[in-house]
Amino acid sequence: DAGVIQSPRHEVTEMGQEVTLRCKPISGHNSLFWYRQTMMRGLELLIYFNNNVPIDDSGMPEDRFSAKMPNASFSTLKIQPSEPRDSAVYFCASSLAGGKANEKLFFGSGTQLSVL
Amino acid sequence: GESVGLHLPTLSVQEGDNSIINCAYSNSASDYFIWYKQESGKGPQFIIDIRSNMDKRQGQRVTVLLNKTVKHLSLQIAATQPGDSAVYFCANDYKLSFGAGTTVTVRA
Repeated sequence: DAGVIQSPRHEVTEMGQEVTLRCKPISGHNSLFWYRQTMMRGLELLIYFNNNVPIDDSGMPEDRFSAKMPNASFSTLKIQPSEPRDSAVYFCASSLAGGKANEKLFFGSGTQLSVL
Repeated sequence: GESVGLHLPTLSVQEGDNSIINCAYSNSASDYFIWYKQESGKGPQFIIDIRSNMDKRQGQRVTVLLNKTVKHLSLQIAATQPGDSAVYFCANDYKLSFGAGTTVTVRA
């Protein structure tokens, strides 16, 4: 199994530009999670989907952030417009279960985002 | 809301010694607990898990202990090696955010 696949691995952009991060979960997993990791806040949950439906997006910082999961094998996290404070490592993870019964997560390698 | 937190942000251990990383949680209904390890430049990886009907579970060089009375769990690493240097996170079935974790540094 290839694991959770994220792209790009690194992204450098200028303030105000749109950024799109991509994730392919492990085949057969029905829950997908987007995380952001910074030194100040650690690893924080942004949003998670169960069976392609957003379940909890309370961690999404503001309206500039949006996430979609059009099918079971693909999700995007979009930031528009991007700001320097969005610079972080963004992780995608997937799992077999969802909701309360949180099972172990399988993480991708992350996208290192730098907004100049 | 639910909180799951590690006691110490950093831990320095001599190579060959045992490491103990502690974690506390607040929701007594938690049924499932997980430890993750994040090496530099990588995403977190599952190490070991434990369900609430158990007090102890052992893996390869790692042991997780669960004390439901005081809502505390710990990860013990035997004979710590340089490859154990990483950030460690605890999580449960209610807590999906991980916080800062505990950074373990192994001294040669």
